[in-house]
Amino acid sequence: NAGVTQTPKFRILKIGQSMTLQCTQDMNHNYMYWYRQDPGMGLKLIYYSVGAGITDKGEVPNGYNVSRSTTEDFPLRLELAAPSQTSVYFCASSFGEQFFGPGTRLTVL
Amino acid sequence: AQSVTQLDSQVPVFEEAPVELRCNYSSSVSVYLFWYVQYPNQGLQLLLKYLSGSTLVESINGFEAEFNKSQTSFHLRKPSVHISDTAEYFCAVRGYNNNDMRFGAGTRLTVKP
Repeated sequence: NAGVTQTPKFRILKIGQSMTLQCTQDMNHNYMYWYRQDPGMGLKLIYYSVGAGITDKGEVPNGYNVSRSTTEDFPLRLELAAPSQTSVYFCASSFGEQFFGPGTRLTVL
Repeated sequence: AQSVTQLDSQVPVFEEAPVELRCNYSSSVSVYLFWYVQYPNQGLQLLLKYLSGSTLVESINGFEAEFNKSQTSFHLRKPSVHISDTAEYFCAVRGYNNNDMRFGAGTRLTVKP
């Protein structure tokens, strides 16, 4: 099993650009999550999903969108990138405990 | 919703010394508790968890944590640390009946020779 995979690993965006962060898991987990990690702030939940076709907002959803068309994939969309979205983004899936991907480091300039 | 407070942002210790990383939580419902470790430029890995039963839980690499319901704490301890334990440690809490995992701000453990 590859576990949770994320692409890309790094990305630099200009203000106003859009992009999609990809997340895939091969453990057949129903629950999936997107977090952002900022220095000294821990992880903040952006969106989560309890199964295909079902998504819900977390603590910090503004500026992001998600979709869950399959059990395996949970992409995160940034429509109009802003400097405040500079962060490290982690995807996770769970069956009890959460399993994390390696992260995507995003810089918005 | 639940919340977590990690009382120390940084903990420097010498190799082979004992260490305690403190975690307090707040919740109106019963909870599950977790400690995750993050090594540089990596994702988070589960270190140990409390779901039910014995309040003392252990990891395979010598860490242990004790769930104290009256003090709403879940402190992480290791009697003798190694250089390789240098990492960031996150305490997390989730309610029994929800999917909202809340993380603390993290404690950076630095083990010096």
